[in-house]
Amino acid sequence: GNSVTQMEGPVTLSEEAFLTINCTYTATGYPSLFWYVQYPGEGLQLLLKATKADDKGSNKGFEATYRKETTSFHLEKGSVQVSDSAVYFCALSGRNAGNMLTFGGGTRLMVKP
Amino acid sequence: GAVVSQHPSWVICKSGTSVKIECRSLDFQATTMFWYRQFPKQSLMLMATSNEGSKATYEQGVEKDKFLINHASLTLSTLTVTSAHPEDSSFYICSASERVVLEQYFGPGTRLTVT
Repeated sequence: GNSVTQMEGPVTLSEEAFLTINCTYTATGYPSLFWYVQYPGEGLQLLLKATKADDKGSNKGFEATYRKETTSFHLEKGSVQVSDSAVYFCALSGRNAGNMLTFGGGTRLMVKP
Repeated sequence: GAVVSQHPSWVICKSGTSVKIECRSLDFQATTMFWYRQFPKQSLMLMATSNEGSKATYEQGVEKDKFLINHASLTLSTLTVTSAHPEDSSFYICSASERVVLEQYFGPGTRLTVT
């Protein structure tokens, strides 16, 4: 079956530091890949997505590239802000899975001023 | 666009009572809605998938008689936690998807506390 593994947190960074949150997946076929962000006490917001190999999703300074050869979708940001503090979830959706999402365990990011 | 709302945002109830949570798609027709449960500092666990007009499909280990899901229209799904117990306390999140779109749009969540 499908699965998503992401690095455990918490990840603590100083403002303006470089961020990488690793995400690898196991899936049959060619899934779509997503990063969601969850701020305290809120639901999930789609941060970015990629639907095929070598696609790069980007939004609000965050980027992730769909790497089929390494089955990875690592999230990066060049300069984090305190407002980026949240929990980040990597997820995949199988083409034949009726839009069902498989989530990773989530990575908590804490950015200190 | 693609806004999903949940009501209530939080609820406290006594053990043994039932609680209904609503999930609405505000600006699109949601042919499929999903219900998730999230424990503190953990990932989302899919509870069930519902398609408009048909019975929900529950994930393994989820009691369908305890977590009643109704998806009576293309913009509304409800989750009723029956005979709630303290262990049902959790954060419940719904999401909705259009027929031809792969993406799920998430609601803001409902925090349930059973005393």
